[in-house]
Amino acid sequence: DIVMTQSPDSLAVSLGERATINCKSSQSVLYSSNNKNYLAWYQQKPGQPPKLLIYWASTRESGVPDRFSGSGSGTDFTLTISSLQSEDVAVYYCQQYYNTPYTFGQGTKLEIK
Amino acid sequence: QVQLVQSGAEVRKPGASVKVSCKASGYSFTNHYMHWVRQAPGQGLEWMGIINPSGGSTSYAQKFQGRVTMTRDTSTSTVYMELSSLRSEDTAVYYCARDRSGWTGFFDYWGQGALVTVSS
Repeated sequence: DIVMTQSPDSLAVSLGERATINCKSSQSVLYSSNNKNYLAWYQQKPGQPPKLLIYWASTRESGVPDRFSGSGSGTDFTLTISSLQSEDVAVYYCQQYYNTPYTFGQGTKLEIK
Repeated sequence: QVQLVQSGAEVRKPGASVKVSCKASGYSFTNHYMHWVRQAPGQGLEWMGIINPSGGSTSYAQKFQGRVTMTRDTSTSTVYMELSSLRSEDTAVYYCARDRSGWTGFFDYWGQGALVTVSS
């Protein structure tokens, strides 16, 4: 199974500042035949199901604010929130869909400093 | 609009089985595979398996092979996940999650979740 490791486990950022969450996979999730990274990011608020933010490592889901961006390739990925808003307080998960079983990172809890 | 509405919370004793339903609406049911993902209290997300609502074919995570069965009813646009031989470690919120397009492997809509509690 591909192991997904996020860092840090928790993060406190001031409103309006940048938040950066990292995700590392135990093997590459870049599929050479189409040059796509099989990596998604989700946001989960308390008592709610996860919400899709980013897929193919850098494609923003429709309706997701443009302050959210994804980058990286191969085994190292980053989710960046350019200017933190109060509604961004949540737990963030990366997920690989390169092969089954699909696996998630352990989550990063984002709070306001 | 796309909606996935799951059945309610369940309490089971160890060794019993539970069946959770997920009723889809707002889109063509047979065009999107459906996944099941669970989340133990205060823990992360765990993928359990996938079902093709069109033909009914399934693929399960090895961890759950032999204990999980996913089925569907096209007449009601509902998918089901049954987990047997329950143990306390199966206490979790179980989510159905729609695949974005056919079978790509990421999830664009989620059900509200169904809490399954396993306790003697």
